[in-house]
Amino acid sequence: GQQVMQIPQYQHVQEGEDFTTYCNSSTTLSNIQWYKQRPGGHPVFLIQLVKSGEVKKQKRLTFQFGEAKKNSSLHITATQTTDVGTYFCAGRNAGNMLTFGGGTRLMVKP
Amino acid sequence: NAGVTQTPKFQVLKTGQSMTLQCAQDMNHEYMSWYRQDPGMGLRLIHYSVGAGITDQGEVPNGYNVSRSTTEDFPLRLLSAAPSQTSVYFCASSYRGQGNYYGYTFGSGTRLTVV
Repeated sequence: GQQVMQIPQYQHVQEGEDFTTYCNSSTTLSNIQWYKQRPGGHPVFLIQLVKSGEVKKQKRLTFQFGEAKKNSSLHITATQTTDVGTYFCAGRNAGNMLTFGGGTRLMVKP
Repeated sequence: NAGVTQTPKFQVLKTGQSMTLQCAQDMNHEYMSWYRQDPGMGLRLIHYSVGAGITDQGEVPNGYNVSRSTTEDFPLRLLSAAPSQTSVYFCASSYRGQGNYYGYTFGSGTRLTVV
């Protein structure tokens, strides 16, 4: 079945440093979504990418979808303590199932 | 709007007991799903539904049943609880537009412990 891998599993950064998490799918995706989960909370939808090579920005967050629609990345510029949490990518193939990656846990030292 | 409401928030079961986790949404979303979240394993899809009367299996359906008699409700039944079902369970809903399902709205989760 479809597999979605995410790296790294954990990342410690100093406040103000940049952060990137990478997502790779074993199959071509129709779209990819990104979610953020704060400690003890539930996943919250951030964005969806649909087109090959698409790049979207939300303030300090930049999301990319690869040309082959099998990989994606999330980059945070100048991290803040409010960015702490686990970031998940989730890929959808042609069906109705959304498969989540294992997540990257971001820890920010003030 | 309340969004996606899950009950209970916490539950302790003994091995072999059965129970139903409730999920309700008030956004008229046609798509609903159940995920379980275990440490280090992300979210794994248990069952999903694309509309009332329609359900399908996800990645890890064994030991769980679902039904979708209304658009609003999507209960998850544990038939005979096992310690391996200790997890956090999330219900999520979405709607379809322009050929794609939009981002999921998640409930706040049910933390289940089976002893």
